[in-house]
Amino acid sequence: AQKVTQAQTEISVVEKEDVTLDCVYETRDTTYYLFWYKQPPSGELVFLIRRNSFDEQNEISGRYSWNFQKSTSSFNFTITASQVVDSAVYFCALSEAETSYDKVIFGPGTSLSVIP
Amino acid sequence: NAGVMQNPRHLVRRRGQEARLRCSPMKGHSHVYWYRQLPEEGLKFMVYLQKENIIDESGMPKERFSAEFPKEGPSILRIQQVVRGDSAAYFCASSVTESSTSYEQYFGPGTRLTVT
Repeated sequence: AQKVTQAQTEISVVEKEDVTLDCVYETRDTTYYLFWYKQPPSGELVFLIRRNSFDEQNEISGRYSWNFQKSTSSFNFTITASQVVDSAVYFCALSEAETSYDKVIFGPGTSLSVIP
Repeated sequence: NAGVMQNPRHLVRRRGQEARLRCSPMKGHSHVYWYRQLPEEGLKFMVYLQKENIIDESGMPKERFSAEFPKEGPSILRIQQVVRGDSAAYFCASSVTESSTSYEQYFGPGTRLTVT
């Protein structure tokens, strides 16, 4: 069965600190996709990244970076030099490509507050 | 190229009324997914539809909920005889194809249903 765990329910950091959001997933499939979405207070879902299970290279995009480790089934997300605008709920998600369509399984989310 | 559109953005219904939520996928997308986000929770898959077909409704409550995606027009999520527990944000997503390459799902802004 597929499952996504985000153990941190809420995190508060002071502006300019670095913060890492943890994500651990479970799947029996060998081919799968991992995602991160941001949900700001306005409520919409903002796509951040998609990785497939065969690509374990870490990725950096500006202040955002992602660390994918298959050995520990983790896909952690780090924000460097956090800003107030980073305050949001962040969802990690999993999609198994071996089904014929993309049913995305979301984690419960981590609420990040960046304090000025 | 307009994104996924959902309307209304906010919907208030009294207990016992019907709620109709609409989703227009991105141009060229023929696959629609509905997700529900209960307060303080992550998104949960409800149903996956292609034009005129329901492919997977394993996440839909057994009663009062139905979905359709007609040949012409938007996808509709219908909730009959709403109860307070139906209050949630309902997100629609669309993708180009079902293929196992797991094309990214594009999410709409959501419809926030409040049942009074």
